[in-house]
Amino acid sequence: DQQVKQNSPSLSVQEGRISILNCDYTNSMFDYFLWYKKYPAEGPTFLISISSIKDKNEDGRFTVFLNKSAKHLSLHIVPSQPGDSAVYFCAASAKNYGQNFVFGPGTRLSVLP
Amino acid sequence: DVKVTQSSRYLVKRTGEKVFLECVQDMDHENMFWYRQDPGLGLRLIYFSYDVKMKEKGDIPEGYSVSREKKERFSLILESASTNQTSMYLCASNGSPLSYNSPLHFGNGTRLTVT
Repeated sequence: DQQVKQNSPSLSVQEGRISILNCDYTNSMFDYFLWYKKYPAEGPTFLISISSIKDKNEDGRFTVFLNKSAKHLSLHIVPSQPGDSAVYFCAASAKNYGQNFVFGPGTRLSVLP
Repeated sequence: DVKVTQSSRYLVKRTGEKVFLECVQDMDHENMFWYRQDPGLGLRLIYFSYDVKMKEKGDIPEGYSVSREKKERFSLILESASTNQTSMYLCASNGSPLSYNSPLHFGNGTRLTVT
């Protein structure tokens, strides 16, 4: 049973528009969340994170929103650029789980010129 | 900038062979990890290590073992490769012990094909 879900396997967005990638989790113990971006034939690269004490974290074009009551987080990319086309993974961890980061299955984002 | 280096980008091995995947990090990180990535399943943790000679099983350790003789190096061993171990293998590292809120830094991956 997947503890971290990304229900959209793929998403296409026009260049310049907003991309919204969603992630849901089931374990209420998770208290730290991350987004990674992965290009083909490369390892995932860390994008942005959020602690459960916050509901929003922003870094340039990337903003992550956390809704703890709904166990939902989302990554907003504004404006979207063709170079953002990649697979995005959501991940979660918990203090009591030590080093076990749990990853979602990923969403493939395509930004169309 | 953290650098995690995996020794091979692509490997093709035969069923039953013993396979070694090597990973080196240059940031003096305590923790190192091996994940495998499969379509629709995301990244799944095989093993991790929080110190030299220490190891912990992840979610899918069956068929694998690991070795950490030096802080900077973490090896994944497939004792007898099988076709269901065909996958992308990713090594990662992060900071001090119990740093659950320290992002992982990944290598570029090794695509292993077992025929």
